[in-house]
Amino acid sequence: GDSVTQMEGPVTLSEEACLTINCTYTATGYPSLFWYVQYPGEGLQLLLKATKADDKGSNKGFEATYRKETTSFHLEKGSVQVSDSAVYFCALVITGRRALTFGSGTRLQVQP
Amino acid sequence: DTAVSQTPKYLVTQMGNDKSIKCEQNLGHDTMYWYKQDSKKFLKIMFSYNNKELIINETVPNRFSPKSPDKAHLNLHINSLELGDSAVYFCASSQVGQGSDTQYFGPGTRLTVL
Repeated sequence: GDSVTQMEGPVTLSEEACLTINCTYTATGYPSLFWYVQYPGEGLQLLLKATKADDKGSNKGFEATYRKETTSFHLEKGSVQVSDSAVYFCALVITGRRALTFGSGTRLQVQP
Repeated sequence: DTAVSQTPKYLVTQMGNDKSIKCEQNLGHDTMYWYKQDSKKFLKIMFSYNNKELIINETVPNRFSPKSPDKAHLNLHINSLELGDSAVYFCASSQVGQGSDTQYFGPGTRLTVL
């Protein structure tokens, strides 16, 4: 079946540090890939997405590139802020199957 | 305007009770979903409806019954609540064939069963 694997958290960084959260996937079809973010006490917000190989999704300074050869979609940001503290979820959907398959989430804590 | 809304936001109830969670979307989407997030933050699909028809029904106890009165609404009714039902339940919606089936989520309903 389909699955998404994310690095274990929590990830603790100082403000302005570089961030990478690893995400790899296995899929029986050709997936679209997503990063969602969940701020404390809130729901899931779409952060960025990519629908085909070599696409780069970007939003709010975050980026992720769809790498079909390594089945990866790592999330990166050059300079994190305290306000980026949240849980980040990598997810995929196979077109036509509808349901998102999520990774286990990675908690990011950014210290001032 | 809230795109996907859920009520209530918090629900505290006793074991054995029956409760409902309501979801509404104003995005004009044709597909709606229920996901469950457990205490470890793991998210898993429960149900999906497309144009009021059930299209995904994962291995969920039959105490859980979704109902879609129209395309904009998907409610979740839970009978005989158990301690293990305590979780955050998220509603989501998407439009098939648009934006790679991007799903938009509601704020969640935190259910606590005592």
